[in-house]
Amino acid sequence: QQQVKQSPQSLIVQKGGISIINCAYENTAFDYFPWYQQFPGKGPALLIAIRPDVSEKKEGRFTISFNKSAKQFSLHIMDSQPGDSATYFCAASGGTDKLIFGTGTRLQVFP
Amino acid sequence: DTAVSQTPKYLVTQMGNDKSIKCEQNLGHDTMYWYKQDSKKFLKIMFSYNNKELIINETVPNRFSPKSPDKAHLNLHINSLELGDSAVYFCASSRSSGAVSNTIYFGEGSWLTVV
Repeated sequence: QQQVKQSPQSLIVQKGGISIINCAYENTAFDYFPWYQQFPGKGPALLIAIRPDVSEKKEGRFTISFNKSAKQFSLHIMDSQPGDSATYFCAASGGTDKLIFGTGTRLQVFP
Repeated sequence: DTAVSQTPKYLVTQMGNDKSIKCEQNLGHDTMYWYKQDSKKFLKIMFSYNNKELIINETVPNRFSPKSPDKAHLNLHINSLELGDSAVYFCASSRSSGAVSNTIYFGEGSWLTVV
């Protein structure tokens, strides 16, 4: 089961609000879960990543929450800013560099 | 001082033509990739090379042929282009294929439109 399911497909948040994007996976061999951020006309870039030995990782306004038993992980963007408007991809891999990407969430943050 | 650069950025071509996209990375990485992003933004790996050796070859039509002359370059040649090949093709690289947590660095994409 190589899929990574991501929701919502799109998200509109007001400036200062919290953006939450969720992902779920089936393959228990996955052991690396990065989030990539993609601006229009650009390639995806690594934002933050987590391994399943921790339940949370925070970098600035960005936090990954990881629930190993539920096989779910989520990205929280605190104090969302217009500059955060982009498409966000969760991903997963295990044992190789073959990253399986989620379907993407288009985030729009309005002033 | 682009880390992963690919050319051309935009390509419009007719069905049936053959085209190539070139990619170069100056990060000293051992592993390079081609990803395809369709109109719905789905990102899917096509190929992976490690030190010029093919590592991953997903279910991709054999009209697509990657070529790695050295570990800093990975080109993608597409024969007999079809309408469904229209997409953004991303070249990427990472430090090595052994460690699962190596960051993958993407180029800015090559927007291919087949008419």
